[in-house]
Amino acid sequence: GAGVSQSPSNKVTEKGKDVELRCDPISGHTALYWYRQSLGQGLEFLIYFQGNSAPDKSGLPSDRFSAERTGGSVSTLTIQRTQQEDSAVYLCASSLPEWTGAAYEQYFGPGTRLTVT
Amino acid sequence: AQSVTQLGSHVSVSEGALVLLRCNYSSSVPPYLFWYVQYPNQGLQLLLKYTTGATLVKGINGFEAEFKKSETSFHLTKPSAHMSDAAEYFCAVSDRRDYGGSQGNLIFGKGTKLSVKP
Repeated sequence: GAGVSQSPSNKVTEKGKDVELRCDPISGHTALYWYRQSLGQGLEFLIYFQGNSAPDKSGLPSDRFSAERTGGSVSTLTIQRTQQEDSAVYLCASSLPEWTGAAYEQYFGPGTRLTVT
Repeated sequence: AQSVTQLGSHVSVSEGALVLLRCNYSSSVPPYLFWYVQYPNQGLQLLLKYTTGATLVKGINGFEAEFKKSETSFHLTKPSAHMSDAAEYFCAVSDRRDYGGSQGNLIFGKGTKLSVKP
């Protein structure tokens, strides 16, 4: 079946503008994760959604970052007032429900490369 | 708290030689450990995983890793490198929310870039 999809694949924006990044997880996957991959920081966790529970936002670097997940499926990561240090590849991953016994396995999308000029 | 250390940001081997990528972890709960591979301009692909049971785990493309609790290590090996193995490899531990659970975000090492010389 289809894997995790992300859009856009590339985004160039001017400093100070807002951006929205989209993630479409694998059908039936109840958990959704956002990560950021940058040269200086490596791969960092940002936020985690599990079903209808409140998301774990402990990895968000500032209040300019937010995310939502509508209908337990598609997720949007929003970065307000973008800064040059936000330039990175933003990766989304999803995983099966806990009861399957395979919830630990995360499937990654191809990422969105964000460049802030 | 969980953390992962990968020794060596770059490793270069000759084609046909042994590949050994090192990973050490710390975890306050029994760890779930993973190796992911990333080819240029692509997302992460799971190579192999350890959750419970047999400590020697086999993955795709001929890779395997051994969980050694006493050494807190999960090194990745492949007996004979192929040119197509050139990529970046990430070791990760799951930040499991509780002892009995299996879900949680991944905490990654800094990655090791593998080069394979002809």
